This record gives sequence, structure tokens and C-alpha cells, in this order.
Amino acid sequence: GAGVSQSPSNKVTEKGKDVELRCDPISGHTALYWYRQSLGQGLEFLIYFQGNSAPDKSGLPSDRFSAERTGGSVSTLTIQRTQQEDSAVYLCASSTGQGSYNEQFFGPGTRLTVL
Amino acid sequence: AQSVSQHNHHVILSEAASLELGCNYSYGGTVNLFWYVQYPGQHLQLLLKYFSGDPLVKGIKGFEAEFIKSKFSFNLRKPSVQWSDTAEYFCAVNYSGGSNYKLTFGKGTLLTVNP
Repeated sequence: GAGVSQSPSNKVTEKGKDVELRCDPISGHTALYWYRQSLGQGLEFLIYFQGNSAPDKSGLPSDRFSAERTGGSVSTLTIQRTQQEDSAVYLCASSTGQGSYNEQFFGPGTRLTVL
Repeated sequence: AQSVSQHNHHVILSEAASLELGCNYSYGGTVNLFWYVQYPGQHLQLLLKYFSGDPLVKGIKGFEAEFIKSKFSFNLRKPSVQWSDTAEYFCAVNYSGGSNYKLTFGKGTLLTVNP
């Protein structure tokens, strides 16, 4: 079946603009995760959804970052007033359920460049 | 804070050489351990995982990893690498408990295999 998809694949924006990144998880996966990969860094956890609820937003780096999930499916990560340090690859993953035994399947990522 | 260390940033090998990539994690109780691989232009994908039982786990494409609890390590090995193993390799951990959905990643090791 189809894997996790993300759009756009690349986004170039100017400092101060808002951006929206989209994630379509694997059908039937109830858990969804956002990670960020900055240059030279590992993947950094941002937020976790179980269904439409986000029980853990602890990884969001500032209040400029927000995310939502609707219909237990598509998720949008929004970054307001982008800064150059927001430049990174944003990865989405999904899994069949919560918990450490559920493999997370990753999407191709959105490469965000803030000029 | 929980952390994962990968000792090598970039490893260069010739085909047929043996590979060992180091991974250490900070102590945090019971852990589940993963190695992910990202081939050029492709998604992150799971190479192998350890939850419990035999500490020597085998994954796809001839890779294996050994969990040594006393050393907080989960090193990845392959007896004879191929050019097609050129990729970036990420070690990841999640900790059983309240945040067991969250993967903590190392910074990755770029493996280049020369033909």
C-alpha cells in the first residue's frame, strides 16, 4: 500500500513568512509523529498525535510552531514568522498505534529553507 | 535528558570490508533499540530492532546488531559491505514508560562504500 506522503517536498520562504507542511499517514495508522532534522543533527522529536489529539507537544521549539490533525488522518505543521534557524528537513512518521513496539514509518520529508 | 551517541560521523570503506558502527545511549531504564537507514534520495527505513530476548538481532540485507546492556551499546555490524550499502545510518532508542512513543535519534553515520 501507499506509504507516508508529505508535501511540499521542498519549500523556500522568506524570513517572517508563515508556512504549512502537510503529512498524509498510512491509512489506518492512528499515531502520527513530526520530527525535524537540522544540518548535522539527528532527528529531533517535535510532536505526537494519537487520533486527533496531541498528548505530547513537548518538542515544539517555540510558540511559532503548531500542528493539528483532522479526521484521524492528515496532519499540518504550521510555522509562523519563520526564522533562518527553522531551516531543516521536517519528517512525518506514522504507526499503527501508540507505544514502543509499533514501528514508525517515515515519509520523504519536506526540506524547508528560510532565506 | 535521554541521548544517543553515534561515534563515527563518516565512515569510508572498500567493498568486502567489515563494518561496525557504534551506538551508545544514556541510561533511562528499559529500552527498545533501532537502527534506521536512509539510502540516497530515499525515506528513512527500519533496518533492525531490539525489544527483548536474544541480544543479537538480525535485520535486512545481512546487517546485525548486538545489545550489550552493561555498556549501554547497540552496535551495528555487517561482515562484508557492498557499494549499495552507501547510506546514512541512524541509531534510535525509545524508553519504556510514559513517553514510549518518542524515538530519540543519534546524529547519524554516513557510510561510503567504494567499489
